[in-house]
Amino acid sequence: DAGVIQSPRHEVTEMGQEVTLRCKPISGHNSLFWYRQTMMRGLELLIYFNNNVPIDDSGMPEDRFSAKMPNASFSTLKIQPSEPRDSAVYFCASSRVGDNEQFFGPGTRLTVL
Amino acid sequence: GDSVTQMEGPVTLSEEAFLTINCTYTATGYPSLFWYVQYPGEGLQLLLKATKADDKGSNKGFEATYRKETTSFHLEKGSVQVSDSAVYFCALSEQGGSEKLVFGKGTKLTVNP
Repeated sequence: DAGVIQSPRHEVTEMGQEVTLRCKPISGHNSLFWYRQTMMRGLELLIYFNNNVPIDDSGMPEDRFSAKMPNASFSTLKIQPSEPRDSAVYFCASSRVGDNEQFFGPGTRLTVL
Repeated sequence: GDSVTQMEGPVTLSEEAFLTINCTYTATGYPSLFWYVQYPGEGLQLLLKATKADDKGSNKGFEATYRKETTSFHLEKGSVQVSDSAVYFCALSEQGGSEKLVFGKGTKLTVNP
């Protein structure tokens, strides 16, 4: 079975541009999580969904960030406009509702110049 | 809120040395506890977990015991290998069935031959 799939793996963009990160969770998993990892702040939970519904978005840094999950097999994290301080590795993870074990994707390394 | 504190890294050991990475937590109630490992260029993957006091999680020669009296979940391995070089994250799940995980900042381990 394929693991969590993220695309792109690397993204380099200029300040002010829109960035869209994509995630396909493991089939049958109905919880999905977006994390951001930086050297300074470590691993931060941005938002998570249960059954496609956002449950907790308290980690989303500001209105420039938005996340959607239109169906059980796809989610996006969008940054508009992007800023250099958004440079980080963004991970998507999925799990079954009620199961604490999360499966992580390989991450998207975002660089905003 | 709930939090996890890990020993600061980096940790550098020689092959076959004994490893301990300390982890303590602050939480209301009785969370489940986890160790995740992140190999270079990859996402996090679950290494072991414990769901109640005095439980011992183990995998690939690694062990950790859930100590409620000291609110600790220290990771140990008797003889490390070069292939164990990675970043190790301690985490807890909030009680009450929440799928959210609270992660420590991670400890980078380098094992030299």
